[in-house]
Amino acid sequence: QKEVEQDPGPLSVPEGAIVSLNCTYSNSAFQYFMWYRQYSRKGPELLMYTYSSGNKEDGRFTAQVDKSSKYISLFIRDSQPSDSATYLCAMSAYSGAGSYQLTFGKGTKLSVIP
Amino acid sequence: DTEVTQTPKHLVMGMTNKKSLKCEQHMGHRAMYWYKQKAKKPPELMFVYSYEKLSINESVPSRFSPECPNSSLLNLHLHALQPEDSALYLCASSQEAGGPYGYTFGSGTRLTVV
Repeated sequence: QKEVEQDPGPLSVPEGAIVSLNCTYSNSAFQYFMWYRQYSRKGPELLMYTYSSGNKEDGRFTAQVDKSSKYISLFIRDSQPSDSATYLCAMSAYSGAGSYQLTFGKGTKLSVIP
Repeated sequence: DTEVTQTPKHLVMGMTNKKSLKCEQHMGHRAMYWYKQKAKKPPELMFVYSYEKLSINESVPSRFSPECPNSSLLNLHLHALQPEDSALYLCASSQEAGGPYGYTFGSGTRLTVV
């Protein structure tokens, strides 16, 4: 079993829809949880990060973490064509000597259709 | 300045060439990374520099040689590459090694080995 599982999609939704993107993980040592957005031929861009279980909101984006279920989600409200990108979840665990190891999910390719 | 700048954006090289990729950040981040990303895959960690010292080498072939001349610069020297090394090479930085608050990525160098 991979440490981080993410459905690669593709996911296609109409403009204005609510999008739900999810990742599951198996390593209980993961403490920090991030979502990156990557446009085609560009580097990943950090969207949100969170530490504790619960919700964190930033504009149209909400990140949700459920540590008991080892499940994280990213919700996008009122989706726009400009949200079309690949969304990567990432998780960080302490690996000793003051450093952390970051593990990425495979990424979900999202298309928002006008 | 909240950017990681990578040059060149595109590079085509023959299998006998020697070339270098460059990365620069001025955010005062103490950790810098090289990642390799193939199409439709998540980034794969290659090297980690923490406080200008190589701290992680993920069993990368010796035809890839990293160098950190100072806290703002990171180079990746390439020699005798193979066509399967063609990929997007991403540089990233963070406050401390491994995050935990996420990385800032550059836009990448798209490398084609012919």
